[in-house]
Amino acid sequence: LAKTTQPISMDSYEGQEVNITCSHNNIATNDYITWYQQFPSQGPRFIIQGYKTKVTNEVASLFIPADRKSSTLSLPRVSLSDTAVYYCLVGGGATNKLIFGTGTLLAVQP
Amino acid sequence: KAGVTQTPRYLIKTRGQQVTLSCSPISGHRSVSWYQQTPGQGLQFLFEYFSETQRNKGNFPGRFSGRQFSNSRSEMNVSTLELGDSALYLCASSYGQGVSYEQYFGPGTRLTVT
Repeated sequence: LAKTTQPISMDSYEGQEVNITCSHNNIATNDYITWYQQFPSQGPRFIIQGYKTKVTNEVASLFIPADRKSSTLSLPRVSLSDTAVYYCLVGGGATNKLIFGTGTLLAVQP
Repeated sequence: KAGVTQTPRYLIKTRGQQVTLSCSPISGHRSVSWYQQTPGQGLQFLFEYFSETQRNKGNFPGRFSGRQFSNSRSEMNVSTLELGDSALYLCASSYGQGVSYEQYFGPGTRLTVT
């Protein structure tokens, strides 16, 4: 069974860049990699999605190496309001399986 | 534009009972997916419905079922509830089928089984 692992927690300070890595060794052909942000008592919120190389939008960047066995979510200049749990989701490709990562609690301090 | 709504928000049931949860997607969205979130197992995919047909299914027992109506609203049913079914049940809607379409999540239904 595919495993998708992330660090349990990370600490940062306001204004710093934060990189959260997700390991997905068993990623299948055509699987997408999607990242979500979740605040307490709320559903996850879409951040960014990619398939290979690098994707950037107005809030984050997603780096995917050529072997696609990992991915890194990059949050530039975090603020206190970025304190949340971040999940990667791998799937939707050939096997049609969807596997969430274990989640990373990002704590941003002033 | 209204977001995804889920009813009820909180629910307490007894072991052995059944429960039905409801999800209303964002207007114009035709896909609804359901997820279970627990402290122990994290976020797990249950199933996805698109155009009233189940298109994808996670690794859950047959006690978990769902359906989608012609207006894209969806219901999820869990029969013969077990203590381990206590969880936050999330639904997400998207315009198209599959994870390549951006999913918008509702606030969830917190189910407690006693």
